Amino acid sequence: AQKITQTQPGMFVQEKEAVTLDCTYDTSDPSYGLFWYKQPSSGEMIFLIYQGSYDQQNATEGRYSLNFQKARKSANLVISASQLGDSAMYFCAMRGYPGGGADGLTFGKGTHLIIQP
Amino acid sequence: DAGITQSPRHKVTETGTPVTLRCHQTENHRYMYWYRQDPGHGLRLIHYSYGVKDTDKGEVSDGYSVSRSKTEDFLLTLESATSSQTSVYFCAISGDGNEKLFFGSGTQLSVL
Repeated sequence: AQKITQTQPGMFVQEKEAVTLDCTYDTSDPSYGLFWYKQPSSGEMIFLIYQGSYDQQNATEGRYSLNFQKARKSANLVISASQLGDSAMYFCAMRGYPGGGADGLTFGKGTHLIIQP
Repeated sequence: DAGITQSPRHKVTETGTPVTLRCHQTENHRYMYWYRQDPGHGLRLIHYSYGVKDTDKGEVSDGYSVSRSKTEDFLLTLESATSSQTSVYFCAISGDGNEKLFFGSGTQLSVL
C-alpha cells in the first residue's frame, strides 16, 4: 500500500516567484513512480510531471521540476516564475510496481495554490 | 487529448434510486478506473478494470459496482444512492498500467 501526504492545504504566492509544493510518500514497494497533476477551477485533471524511483536525475517539464529526495521520501513540485494561470489545485500521486501497478494511482489530498498579481 | 467521455456530466437524484455513470474511451487502453473526489480527501479509487470483464475493488468500493463488457466502456453503478455518494466522479484510463492516467472531465453527482 502507498500513502501520499501533502501538508499544505493552501498557499498564496506572488506572481513571478518560484513555488515549492510539498509531497512526502510512504511505500514498501521496491520500485515506484511519482506523479503530479494540476486541477484548475474548470475541474479537469492535467498531468504535469513524472519521476521514477530509479531515475538518476530529477524530472523537468518546462517550468515544472520535481525535487526528488529518495532518502527523505519526498517528491516536491517546483514551479519556476509562477503565473496567474498556475492558480489551481495540485495533487501528488504515486503507484508501486510490484506487479505492474494496474490498480491505479494513490493521491494526496492536494494543495490549493493561488497566485496573486 | 485522450478520448474519454463521461456521461452524464451532471446528475441530481434522490436517495434510494439507482444511478449509472458511463465512461467511454476511444484510445483502446486496457486499464480503466473510477475515482471519486471529495473536499479534503483528494481522489480515491472506487473500482478499476484491467480488461474486458476483469474488474477489482479499490479503496472505497462499498455501495458501488462496475461492469466492463467492451474495451471502450466502463460503467459505474450506485445500486441505491445515498447522500454520502454525492461527489465528483472521474473516469481515468491507462495504456499499460504503469503509465500516467488520463482523466475524463468528471461527473458531478448530487444525491438529495
